[in-house]
Amino acid sequence: QVQLQESGPALVKPSETLSLTCTVSGASISTYYWSWIRQPPGKGLEWIGYIYNSGTTNYNPSLKSRVTISVDTSKNHFSLKLNSVTAADTAVYFCVRGGSAADYWGQGTLVTVSS
Amino acid sequence: QSVLTQPPSVSAAPGQKVTISCSGSSSNIEKNYVSWYQQLPGTAPKLLIYENYKRPSGIPDRFSGSKSGTSATLGITGLQTGDEADYYCGAWDSSLSAWVFGGGTKLTVL
Repeated sequence: QVQLQESGPALVKPSETLSLTCTVSGASISTYYWSWIRQPPGKGLEWIGYIYNSGTTNYNPSLKSRVTISVDTSKNHFSLKLNSVTAADTAVYFCVRGGSAADYWGQGTLVTVSS
Repeated sequence: QSVLTQPPSVSAAPGQKVTISCSGSSSNIEKNYVSWYQQLPGTAPKLLIYENYKRPSGIPDRFSGSKSGTSATLGITGLQTGDEADYYCGAWDSSLSAWVFGGGTKLTVL
């Protein structure tokens, strides 16, 4: 049974860096594509980026200048860093398995950007 | 503004059939696989359809997917009140080099 669990601060100040980790169980992080997707309150889904092959990344062009996704194979988890955040980055952040279709999703974590 | 276009809402009576459309372009739907997701209130989306029409294990055959040209369609038959949810389509966009989604469709089972 594949399971994903997001973790990280629920509140981030404007201009600071949002950092989240997704811990994966039941599947090797070295296999498959792994993505971050976010959903602002009451709005639709937005793909942030993916990582695969333990290090190859691809980011949404609209966020590319602010995003870094990395993987720690020893802990079987992957991470998201989004810098220079604003209120527009307030959203539920999901980690998922897949790069263009997601068969497993974390429960999501709400991150609020506010001072 | 989403890259893929879905109707904001659809409705139908229990037991009836409904279809949800997803319109895109030659760089996404026409060229790449489409997937569909169901998001019940307060939960993470769940994969319903992948590679245009395939259903993951555990998804009932009441749910079906099809694609023609630059559009895709999700069909749901035998509607149940438990099907009330938001539905999203998604596809890779080769021009943007990005995974894109529709804006979502809220299904109401009257």
